[in-house]
Amino acid sequence: VQLVQSGAELRKPGTSVKVSCQASGFKFTDYLIHWVRQAPGQGLEWMGYVNSNGRTTKAAEKFQGRVTLTRDTSSTTAFMELSRLTSNDTAIYYCAREFGDAFDFWGQGSLVSVSS
Amino acid sequence: QSVLTQPPSVSAAPGQKVTISCSGRSSNIGNNYVSWYQQFPGSAPKLLIFENSKRPSGIPDRFSGSRSGASATLDISDLQTGDEASYYCATWDNRLSAAGVFGGGTTVTVL
Repeated sequence: VQLVQSGAELRKPGTSVKVSCQASGFKFTDYLIHWVRQAPGQGLEWMGYVNSNGRTTKAAEKFQGRVTLTRDTSSTTAFMELSRLTSNDTAIYYCAREFGDAFDFWGQGSLVSVSS
Repeated sequence: QSVLTQPPSVSAAPGQKVTISCSGRSSNIGNNYVSWYQQFPGSAPKLLIFENSKRPSGIPDRFSGSRSGASATLDISDLQTGDEASYYCATWDNRLSAAGVFGGGTTVTVL
């Protein structure tokens, strides 16, 4: 099982960023994919998930209206797009597979830096 | 401020045991499975415990989890220097429409 994420991104405040998470080694359509972020020196923060067929998503209240979670079955890739970025969005963004109400495999993380 | 409360740090000598608490409420820990994660600096979190007390394949039995009421506990016995890391508890919160929630994390130091 592997989740390989896209590389580091630098964005200006007010813009958007899209992070990808390519899955391999398991049946992609059987699992939900979650997104979790970690600001520098801080703890983990759950952002939301996209369900196994991509038709249902759920975002944490603080990200609703600003985050878009999608997935593409043909490329076995999940995506997280965050808009209206501020400096507070500077963080490492992780994708993770859900198994048994837990996150059993994680991507390596994608650093998103927001600075003018 | 995290929904789940963990002590910022715990420490013990090699070979001893540490216990990390994770306190919540009925809407989260009290009615949902708890999982635990280990994270080393610069690395992604790793699943240690799922469904309150189950270990994934490859996780040593020195790591054990339990849940009682609205609290959960992670025990690390026979502490080793390689256990120095941050540990996070996680669950779901029914008051937040089943949103995921994490504890603030606990740093384990081996003296």
